[in-house]
Amino acid sequence: ETGVTQTPRHLVMGMTNKKSLKCEQHLGHNAMYWYKQSAKKPLELMFVYNFKEQTENNSVPSRFSPECPNSSHLFLHLHTLQPEDSALYLCASSQDRVPGELFFGEGSRLTVL
Amino acid sequence: GESVGLHLPTLSVQEGDNSIINCAYSNSASDYFIWYKQESGKGPQFIIDIRSNMDKRQGQRVTVLLNKTVKHLSLQIAATQPGDSAVYFCAEVSGGGADGLTFGKGTHLIIQP
Repeated sequence: ETGVTQTPRHLVMGMTNKKSLKCEQHLGHNAMYWYKQSAKKPLELMFVYNFKEQTENNSVPSRFSPECPNSSHLFLHLHTLQPEDSALYLCASSQDRVPGELFFGEGSRLTVL
Repeated sequence: GESVGLHLPTLSVQEGDNSIINCAYSNSASDYFIWYKQESGKGPQFIIDIRSNMDKRQGQRVTVLLNKTVKHLSLQIAATQPGDSAVYFCAEVSGGGADGLTFGKGTHLIIQP
């Protein structure tokens, strides 16, 4: 248990669906992150939030929409995704914006049909 | 562009032997490095870190070595156990204070009984 909880763990959706991934951290951290993990590729940073403010959008398509209502919660809203968006989406948190140790959740495995 | 990478995608070792996982980086401005372990079905977990003003750092059964001259990082695991089976990632943070880490692709460590 890392203190970062992601739901759902598995999600299957069609290209026209709208769904959301949720992340919650119980560590009192100030920064939260979304990463994408695809097979045979390095972890890709998608979004960074620091004190609820988005500080980085790493050229992510607009069909991915993050939301950070408070320092403990982070959402990733999904709309009209493509099959190539199928991947493991990892949420992480760190005490500060410049990460020392990132604490990762167990990920949400997304399959787009 | 500059990137972090790993020499071998898969490493197979006998239980009880020592494991050495290597990582090459190309950004000479990187000043902080982290090793993560990702077990099947889980998110990455912090193992050990090292700053660029150090050459070696030891943890419990793990040692990280940093050779800045050749831009090489290694993770040594002593007396490898079945629970060490996982994918190991090195990651770097550049001196600019990135909002995330740049990860390598990972090395899959397989423990033979």
